[in-house]
Amino acid sequence: AQSVTQLDSQVPVFEEAPVELRCNYSSSVSVYLFWYVQYPNQGLQLLLKYLSGSTLVKGINGFEAEFNKSQTSFHLRKPSVHISDTAEYFCAVSSASKIIFGSGTRLSIRP
Amino acid sequence: DTEVTQTPKHLVMGMTNKKSLKCEQHMGHRAMYWYKQKAKKPPELMFVYSYEKLSINESVPSRFSPECPNSSLLNLHLHALQPEDSALYLCASSPPGADTQYFGPGTRLTVL
Repeated sequence: AQSVTQLDSQVPVFEEAPVELRCNYSSSVSVYLFWYVQYPNQGLQLLLKYLSGSTLVKGINGFEAEFNKSQTSFHLRKPSVHISDTAEYFCAVSSASKIIFGSGTRLSIRP
Repeated sequence: DTEVTQTPKHLVMGMTNKKSLKCEQHMGHRAMYWYKQKAKKPPELMFVYSYEKLSINESVPSRFSPECPNSSLLNLHLHALQPEDSALYLCASSPPGADTQYFGPGTRLTVL
């Protein structure tokens, strides 16, 4: 069975500092991996996805993630965060027409 | 048109009411989904429709009744709900043969 673990439930960071949100997955087959962002009182927005090819994936709003098969990780990074990045971030893996979400990481930006 | 829309944005209903949530997409996606999301939790899958047929029901209580009248529209009919059913209900869709899901803004449901 596939599963996703987000190691940090909350990540506080100062504005303009870099950030990394960690995600590990378990799967016995090839995986498709996703990061979604949920701003307060909104739905989920796709940030980026890894389906195949280059292991470094660039997404919207300056985010990127690196697929690491040996470490079964798909960490999300941004070199310089902004107040508007305050949101809940979900890592996810697809499995048989379903998406399995991690528990989420709340990113809070301090001015 | 590159979005999933949901109506209403907010809904308050009593335990004896009947109401419906609506989801629409015009992207040619052939799979549509209903999720339930409680506060500070990830979305939980409820139903999957593939080519207008129900393909997955995650053991959802019968007081929730999905309907897919056509390839662009997905409804969720609600009847005799409980206060614990209060949540954000999200709709999503995905293109044929693809795993990427695109989400709507959700309907915030409160059951009194």
